[in-house]
Amino acid sequence: NAGVTQTPKFQVLKTGQSMTLQCAQDMNHEYMSWYRQDPGMGLRLIHYSVGAGITDQGEVPNGYNVSRSTTEDFPLRLLSAAPSQTSVYFCASSRDRGSYEQYFGPGTRLTVT
Amino acid sequence: EDKVVQSPLSLVVHEGDTVTLNCSYEVTNFRSLLWYKQEKKAPTFLFMLTSSGIEKKSGRLSSILDKKELFSILNITATQTGDSAVYLCAVEVTGNQFYFGTGTSLTVIP
Repeated sequence: NAGVTQTPKFQVLKTGQSMTLQCAQDMNHEYMSWYRQDPGMGLRLIHYSVGAGITDQGEVPNGYNVSRSTTEDFPLRLLSAAPSQTSVYFCASSRDRGSYEQYFGPGTRLTVT
Repeated sequence: EDKVVQSPLSLVVHEGDTVTLNCSYEVTNFRSLLWYKQEKKAPTFLFMLTSSGIEKKSGRLSSILDKKELFSILNITATQTGDSAVYLCAVEVTGNQFYFGTGTSLTVIP
């Protein structure tokens, strides 16, 4: 099993550009989520999904969209990048709502200039 | 507003020392508290706690939850340089929301 994979590892965007961060898992996990990690702020939940076709907002959803068309994939879209979105982004998954051991991907370091 | 606070922010100890990391929380609709270890990459799961007073152990690491006083501690005994990492505490609330603390950075000196 590859576990949770994320691409790209690094990305530099200009303000106003859009892009999609990819996340995939091969563990047949129902629950998937996106976090951002900023210095001094800890991990903050952006969006999550409890299964294919179901998504919901986390603590800091503004400026981001998600969709979940398959169990395996959970892409995060930045609609119009802003410098405030410079961060490290982690995707995570867990077996189901009752299973709290989240497996994290390796992260994407995004810089918006 | 739900929040999770960890202390201390950072800690430097010598190999063989015992350390205690703290996590306090103020949330509505608590479901569980989790501890993660983060070395220079993704967090890895350590413990999940849902009931007060029941200690979870894994080797030299142990953790306990106090739901009355709203805190948890993570103990590491006989620390080793490989324990150097950021330790994250997270609280899950009803509705699949997770709130993380800012972490405690532990450095173990040989």
